[in-house]
Amino acid sequence: EVQLVESGGGLVQPGGSLRLSCAASGFTFSDHYMDWFRQAPGKGLEWLGRIRDRGSAHTTEYAASVKGRFTISRDDSRNSLYLQMNSLKTEDTAVYYCARPHDASWTGAYFQYWGQGTLVTVSS
Amino acid sequence: DIQLTQSPSFLSASVGDSVTITCRASQDISSNLAWYQQKSGKPPNLLIYGASTLQSGVPSRFSGSGSGTEFTLTISSLQPEDFATYYCQQLKSYPLTFGQGTRLEIK
Repeated sequence: EVQLVESGGGLVQPGGSLRLSCAASGFTFSDHYMDWFRQAPGKGLEWLGRIRDRGSAHTTEYAASVKGRFTISRDDSRNSLYLQMNSLKTEDTAVYYCARPHDASWTGAYFQYWGQGTLVTVSS
Repeated sequence: DIQLTQSPSFLSASVGDSVTITCRASQDISSNLAWYQQKSGKPPNLLIYGASTLQSGVPSRFSGSGSGTEFTLTISSLQPEDFATYYCQQLKSYPLTFGQGTRLEIK
């Protein structure tokens, strides 16, 4: 059974940093792309970025809203995905989800597997 | 960026009704569209991918259609558990984008 479990959320002051983790199990983590999403309170879903698998040299894509502030990384030996968030703003307050696309193709890019989310609150 | 516009944003219906949600893309995305259902406090649940393929385990009262720039999600014979928020997502190019959501409530 595929499981994704996020951790690391909490309260942080504006301008601060936080690192989220996503522990994966139930599949060969190193073979899959992984993505981060978020959802601000009462708002819709926002894609944040993607990290590709080892075969694609772990290259990344980012949404414009977080590019340069957020960094996605992974440790395949630990089956873990990370989101390093710097220069946090109040508008970054959201539930953050990791998710796994079905496969690496665009036709298979849909998301069947999601974590339960971790709440990040940016406030002074 | 590809913009997705869902309509309506809010929908009120009764158990047993049939409803249709529309998602329009700002450019041609072929069939690279997914639909998700989300309930409060939970992650999205995949319903449809490839615009019209029903995800395994999803009831057959859910169906999707369309290609190019116009897509629909239809729920026939609404059940109490279907009252939730629905999102479309394009999977054609980066950044991956979602519609703003359609909130389906019980009349």
